[in-house]
Amino acid sequence: DTGVSQNPRHKITKRGQNVTFRCDPISEHNRLYWYRQTLGQGPEFLTYFQNEAQLEKSRLLSDRFSAERPKGSFSTLEIQRTEQGDSAMYLCASSVGRAPIEEETQYFGPGTRLLVL
Amino acid sequence: AQSVTQLGSHVSVSEGALVLLRCNYSSSVPPYLFWYVQYPNQGLQLLLKYTTGATLVKGINGFEAEFKKSETSFHLTKPSAHMSDAAEYFCAVITGFQKLVFGTGTRLLVSP
Repeated sequence: DTGVSQNPRHKITKRGQNVTFRCDPISEHNRLYWYRQTLGQGPEFLTYFQNEAQLEKSRLLSDRFSAERPKGSFSTLEIQRTEQGDSAMYLCASSVGRAPIEEETQYFGPGTRLLVL
Repeated sequence: AQSVTQLGSHVSVSEGALVLLRCNYSSSVPPYLFWYVQYPNQGLQLLLKYTTGATLVKGINGFEAEFKKSETSFHLTKPSAHMSDAAEYFCAVITGFQKLVFGTGTRLLVSP
């Protein structure tokens, strides 16, 4: 069990550019979650997938954000036309997905730190 | 809406001293409560969780937390701090919309 992995670990981009992050969940985990964490704050929920279906999206996820999970395995989070306010740590988590969400443990990856200049 | 409040953005203790990190929750339904720890440049790791049943929950690394409905609290404790406990600790609650809602975190500093 190699844990949740995220790539890249760090990303520096200029305002207006598009960026894409990848998350590989623990093998056979059906649920995958994305969170955003800004300095001095706790993580904030963005969205989650049950297999390939995106079931919930936060209002934080503006039209510039899009997440996919083709084939129910890895997931990508794309931010278009980045803004300085997008600078944050983007965390991915996964869980088994066979019990109610509140009863499951979410396993977090190390995150991708984004800096928008 | 469900939420959690962590009192104290920083807590300092000496090695060997009691660790007490405070968390109060707000929930209109029976809450599911969690404590996570985050070490520098790492993701979050679950310390313990309360779902139903026993109100005293034991977790990893010697931590425990007690669910007190009358006080709407879920404070995290450890009898004796170790240098390796220095990290950021987050309390979280599952909302009715099945999303984890985190507090703002408490940074634990442990001095020799």
